[in-house]
Amino acid sequence: DAMVIQNPRYQVTQFGKPVTLSCSQTLNHNVMYWYQQKSSQAPKLLFHYYDKDFNNEADTPDNFQSRRPNTSFCFLDIRSPGLGDAAMYLCATSRGAGDRRSPLHFGNGTRLTVT
Amino acid sequence: GEDVEQSLFLSVREGDSSVINCTYTDSSSTYLYWYKQEPGAGLQLLTYIFSNMDMKQDQRLTVLLNKKDKHLSLRIADTQTGDSAIYFCAERSGGNNRLAFGKGNQVVVIP
Repeated sequence: DAMVIQNPRYQVTQFGKPVTLSCSQTLNHNVMYWYQQKSSQAPKLLFHYYDKDFNNEADTPDNFQSRRPNTSFCFLDIRSPGLGDAAMYLCATSRGAGDRRSPLHFGNGTRLTVT
Repeated sequence: GEDVEQSLFLSVREGDSSVINCTYTDSSSTYLYWYKQEPGAGLQLLTYIFSNMDMKQDQRLTVLLNKKDKHLSLRIADTQTGDSAIYFCAERSGGNNRLAFGKGNQVVVIP
């Protein structure tokens, strides 16, 4: 059974048109992450939430925002997608740093295409 | 800081063993992970090892850690066509919520 669920699997948006990607989890994990992965590259962390605390990576563009209304859900908002934002977006969860063994559990990703 | 490096491509015949290597730079106590990514999919956790261990075996997977050289390897025994994927090593240090990923190693299994 899927524990980290991302919808949709494929998303097409127009240049400059806001888009929201969603992620939900059934693991009750404290931490939720959003990664961007471009072709043939490693995932790149955009930001993460530890409970309600938002942690932005220094090099994440302002165009990317996130919301976590409750433990189970986290959203990635791209305010004005550019062609360079076409990528796979991966959501992940973990129990948090208090349990150092806790690995990250990934969803299957949303492939974003910008036309 | 954290910096994880991997070689890029490995071709292996079905039934042979495959070995993927990774180096890391953070010297603090850490957990090291291996993830598998099939085309168009997310990352699947395969196994992990704590830095005070030398080896961990899990069915066809063997992880070897050389802490002195900061070298991590993943050996897949009896490689199957379903093992064709990109394999990422990743490092998590101390209280850090982040994982540092290597660039990934693509494994292609030839029938």
